[in-house]
Amino acid sequence: DTAVSQTPKYLVTQMGNDKSIKCEQNLGHDTMYWYKQDSKKFLKIMFSYNNKELIINETVPNRFSPKSPDKAHLNLHINSLELGDSAVYFCASSQGLTATNTGELFFGEGSRLTVL
Amino acid sequence: AQSVAQPEDQVNVAEGNPLTVKCTYSVSGNPYLFWYVQYPNRGLQFLLKYITGDNLVKGSYGFEAEFNKSQTSFHLKKPSALVSDSALYFCAVKSSASKIIFGSGTRLSIRP
Repeated sequence: DTAVSQTPKYLVTQMGNDKSIKCEQNLGHDTMYWYKQDSKKFLKIMFSYNNKELIINETVPNRFSPKSPDKAHLNLHINSLELGDSAVYFCASSQGLTATNTGELFFGEGSRLTVL
Repeated sequence: AQSVAQPEDQVNVAEGNPLTVKCTYSVSGNPYLFWYVQYPNRGLQFLLKYITGDNLVKGSYGFEAEFNKSQTSFHLKKPSALVSDSALYFCAVKSSASKIIFGSGTRLSIRP
């Protein structure tokens, strides 16, 4: 059973299109994230949801809209795609930081978005 | 603001030799520190973490890391490198709830 699964794994599309990436985790975690990894392999956090509530919203264009229908799912919708959006997008989950949980991340395999 | 630095883009080591991948951090408060590994076309995998306690922490695949508060470092080490250790390694810091910041990554290359 895959712990954090993302679909699609590859996405090739034209500039100006709208696309979505879906993520599901079966680990029972309460926090989910989207990270963007660029061509130089830099990883930057985009969003984080805790129990369906947005708790981290980094400086991301508002063309990017996350949605969390429940705590096991976090989807990413991107409007009006631009060339610079080409990257690998990683979904991750963790159990929130508490006295007994230290919140290490579990990552999906990534979704490689190519905008032409 | 919290940050983490990996000063080496690439580390090259011969198989069987010890390896070190460097990481320094800057946080306010007590740091929670992590190492992750990324193999080609894969997601990141958790290797080990430092939360509190013993400064030397052991993790997966024979890796360990040493927390040094005075030098604000958390270097990853392995006594004897394997070719299969070749991958991209990320140091990360977490100092507030639910926000983890990653370093720029270090590519580890182990030659046979």
